[in-house]
Amino acid sequence: DAGVIQSPRHEVTEMGQEVTLRCKLISGHNSLFWYRQTMMRGLELLIYFNNNVPIDDSGMPEDRFSAKMPNASFSTLKIQPSEPRDSAVYFCASSLQDLLETQYFGPGTRLLVL
Amino acid sequence: TQLLEQSPQFLSIQEGENLTVYCNSSSVFSSLQWYRQEPGEGPVLLVTVVTGGEVKKLKRLTFQFGDARKDSSLHITAAQPGDTGLYLCAGAPGNQFYFGTGTSLTVIP
Repeated sequence: DAGVIQSPRHEVTEMGQEVTLRCKLISGHNSLFWYRQTMMRGLELLIYFNNNVPIDDSGMPEDRFSAKMPNASFSTLKIQPSEPRDSAVYFCASSLQDLLETQYFGPGTRLLVL
Repeated sequence: TQLLEQSPQFLSIQEGENLTVYCNSSSVFSSLQWYRQEPGEGPVLLVTVVTGGEVKKLKRLTFQFGDARKDSSLHITAAQPGDTGLYLCAGAPGNQFYFGTGTSLTVIP
């Protein structure tokens, strides 16, 4: 069975541009997590969905960030407008039930905002 | 201030040596997880500890959950180059999930 799939794997953009990151969950998983990883702040949970419903978005940095789950297997994380401080590796993860179960991570999207 | 503090932050050792990594918090956790992340990849779960005082072994890796469920340790016996990676503890003291600050381990052949 395929794991969590993320696209693109690398993204380089200029400040002010819109960035959309995509994630496909493992089939049958009900929870989806978006994380951001930087050297300074480590791995931070941005938002957590369960059964397509956002449960906790307290980690979303500001209004420039938005996440959607249009169906049970797919999610997007959008940054508009992007800023250099958004440069990081963004991970998507899914689990069978909730955040206390094993989370399966995708390979990540490396974002560089110039 | 991070909820889950790990120490040491960096560790470089020779193949065959033993090491211990610590994960500490002032909060109580119902369970703690340990993940390993290799360069260019996402973290992969190694183990989940649930009961205070619990010890779990995974080949040369031994995980312990503190009696008060506020801390955990990971001990690696006879480290090998394949153990190289970023080790992360993680858990949810309430409704939010946190990863620790991480320990970057390098095992030199």
